[in-house]
Amino acid sequence: DQQVKQNSPSLSVQEGRISILNCDYTNSMFDYFLWYKKYPAEGPTFLISISSIKDKNEDGRFTVFLNKSAKHLSLHIVPSQPGDSAVYFCAASAPGAGSYQLTFGKGTKLSVIP
Amino acid sequence: DSGVTQTPKHLITATGQRVTLRCSPRSGDLSVYWYQQSLDQGLQFLIQYYNGEERAKGNILERFSAQQFPDLHSELNLSSLELGDSALYFCASSVTGLSYNEQFFGPGTRLTVL
Repeated sequence: DQQVKQNSPSLSVQEGRISILNCDYTNSMFDYFLWYKKYPAEGPTFLISISSIKDKNEDGRFTVFLNKSAKHLSLHIVPSQPGDSAVYFCAASAPGAGSYQLTFGKGTKLSVIP
Repeated sequence: DSGVTQTPKHLITATGQRVTLRCSPRSGDLSVYWYQQSLDQGLQFLIQYYNGEERAKGNILERFSAQQFPDLHSELNLSSLELGDSALYFCASSVTGLSYNEQFFGPGTRLTVL
């Protein structure tokens, strides 16, 4: 059973426009959420995170929104740049047994068209 | 460069064989995580070590085992390999693994079982 779902395998956006990547989760114990970006032949790179006590977190061009009641989060990239083209993974963590391993979605491949 | 190193980058072997994947965490990080990414799948958590001790287990097969050594590097041992074990294996490290710390990922080892 997939606890973190990214229902859009791919997304294409024009340079300068907004990119919106979505993520849904089912486990109500998740209380920390992260977005990772991955380029080919590299490991995932941390992008931005949000705690469940917040509904928004911004870092430069990247904003993550969390809607706990809907168990939904989204990553907004404004403005989108060609260098943002990568696979984006949504991940979630729940406290328990002293471990904070991440549960990942399958990823969304973002293509930013110049 | 995340500071996490993994060797080898690529590994090609036959069914039934045994391989060892190696990971060196970032300097100062005490916790090491192993993840598996199969085709069209998100990263699946396998196992976590903290300061030499196993902290948590995820979807790790009994044919797989891991350990973390006193110098904090970790090895993932995969035995009786099957075709389905072909995947990317990522190692990540974090400062403690006992709270919400960012995980830094290595570049991964691509395992191909023929």
